[in-house]
Parts: sequence; C-alpha cells; structure tokens
Amino acid sequence: KAGVTQTPRYLIKTRGQQVTLSCSPISGHRSVSWYQQTPGQGLQFLFEYFSETQRNKGNFPGRFSGRQFSNSRSEMNVSTLELGDSALYLCASSLALGRGETQYFGPGTRLLVL
Amino acid sequence: AQRVTQPEKLLSVFKGAPVELKCNYSYSGSPELFWYVQYSRQRLQLLLRHISRESIKGFTADLNKGETSFHLKKPFAQEEDSAMYYCALRRSQGNLIFGKGTKLSVKP
Repeated sequence: KAGVTQTPRYLIKTRGQQVTLSCSPISGHRSVSWYQQTPGQGLQFLFEYFSETQRNKGNFPGRFSGRQFSNSRSEMNVSTLELGDSALYLCASSLALGRGETQYFGPGTRLLVL
Repeated sequence: AQRVTQPEKLLSVFKGAPVELKCNYSYSGSPELFWYVQYSRQRLQLLLRHISRESIKGFTADLNKGETSFHLKKPFAQEEDSAMYYCALRRSQGNLIFGKGTKLSVKP
C-alpha cells in the first residue's frame, strides 16, 4: 500500500497570507491527524478527523482549521500567517480512532513564512 | 497535565555499547506509550509500543507505572541506530503527546 502523502512538500509564504495543505491517508484509513513540528516546541497536536468530523483539537488559535472529505483525504488551512507558523506540518493516518491504533506519518510539508 | 519528558537532547555512544533513551510521562489515566524514530531524511515511523511488548531492531521498552517511565534500551548499539527518537503517549481521546526527542549518535 502507498504511504501517507502530503502536498506540497515545501511552501514559502509571506505574513498575512493564507495557506492550504493537503494530506492523503493510506487507503482504507479513516482517521487523519495533524501535527506541527518546530525546533522549539517539538511535535504538537493540531487536530484529528474521523469520518469527516473533527474529533479532537489541540491548543492552537482559530487561524488553524481543517476538514476531512468523504474519501478521507484531509486539508488544513492557516489564515493570516505569522512568522511563528514556520514549521514542518505532519499528517498521520490510522484505520480508526483510539487505543491500539497505529498512526502512520507522512513526509510533511515544510512551510516557511517570510 | 499530560506530559512526556525526554531529559536528554543528545546521546552519544560508541558502536557495541549499550544504550538507554529515557522517557518519563505524566498521565492520570491508563497510558498507551510509543517510541517513534526518525532516520535522516525519512519520515517519522513507529518503532514499538508498550502493549505489544515486542523487540524491534533489538530495541525493547518496558512500561514502569510506578516510576512513570518507558525507557528505550538496546544492549549493543549499531551505527544505523543513529536517529531522532521520540517517546509519545496517547491520550484517551486519541491524539499523541510527544516528548521533545533525543538524538542518538552511534560512533564507529
């Protein structure tokens, strides 16, 4: 099976712009989670989707949003970009939610905000 | 609050030496713990999980609820073990809480 894919892989934006990142989970996986990775804060949970519904949300401002489509593909959007949003954004998929489920990570989208 | 602590940012050992990467957690419920590894230029991948009680690539980790620890051990380190290692805890709601990671460098 193909692994989790993320597009684009690299992105450069300027402050105030918005950006949309895409994640395609492993075929058959219905849960998608998003994480932000920075040198200072490490890996931080953004949100989790299952069957097109947001099931869980991390402690990020409302500028960060996401959605999941009927084919389980997910997008996350960041509006009014700030310099501090520069990070590697990771997507992970799993068959379902909850204990016992293994999350498989994508390669990430590296976002640079100038 | 739930928290995962990896006290060492960098751990450097020689090939063939034993290695132990420390992980301590804070969680009020019944934890589900993982070790993830990220080799250079590769994606984050699961190394092992406490519920499986398995050994992967010679690594083992035992959950010690009394000491709230989940240290990763390998008796004889190999150069190919050099990577970033992340300890993670899964909350009951499903998302993972990661430690800051330990960079393991195995010298020849």
